[in-house]
Amino acid sequence: KNEVEQSPQNLTAQEGEFITINCSYSVGISALHWLQQHPGGGIVSLFMLSSGKKKHGRLIATINIQEKHSSLHITASHPRDSAVYICAVENTGNQFYFGTGTSLTVIP
Amino acid sequence: DAGVTQSPTHLIKTRGQQVTLRCSPKSGHDTVSWYQQALGQGPQFIFQYYEEEERQRGNFPDRFSGHQFPNYSSELNVNALLLGDSALYLCASSLVPGTDTFGSGTRLTVV
Repeated sequence: KNEVEQSPQNLTAQEGEFITINCSYSVGISALHWLQQHPGGGIVSLFMLSSGKKKHGRLIATINIQEKHSSLHITASHPRDSAVYICAVENTGNQFYFGTGTSLTVIP
Repeated sequence: DAGVTQSPTHLIKTRGQQVTLRCSPKSGHDTVSWYQQALGQGPQFIFQYYEEEERQRGNFPDRFSGHQFPNYSSELNVNALLLGDSALYLCASSLVPGTDTFGSGTRLTVV
């Protein structure tokens, strides 16, 4: 069983739709990261969370420590949001566990 | 301020060869971690270097080895390459937990 589970694996949305990607984890963490990976592999860190909620532009990330669950929301989705979104958790030893990613395609 | 720099960006090797990948950490970072990301999979932790020593290691064979230099840059070496070693190799640097910055990766193809 993976330490980090993401859903859905693949997601296709129409431009403008509200999108939610979910992440559940089973290990004790010091932080949870949401990463964006574009074709070619380059990874961009979107959020680092240890509690509550963070917002950056059209992106919102929430975490519930008790339930070991996090969500990434994209409001008013746009084709340029098409990418793979990866949930990663970091334990107190600075070791990461990664989800397998959610491949998002936003259609104009 | 440059982030994490990896080289080369792409590499093709034949089975049985050896490869060295390089990573320069973000300025001020002293810890370097290496990850392997197979196609369609999430990254898998290979090992982490701190103060020029391997501090943690994931479930990878001894063919995977590394090194960290006094300037905190790092190398990942893979010996006796297998076709299954074809992947994107990511480097991340940090100073303290939660400051991790990822490089863009090296795409290794073994033929």
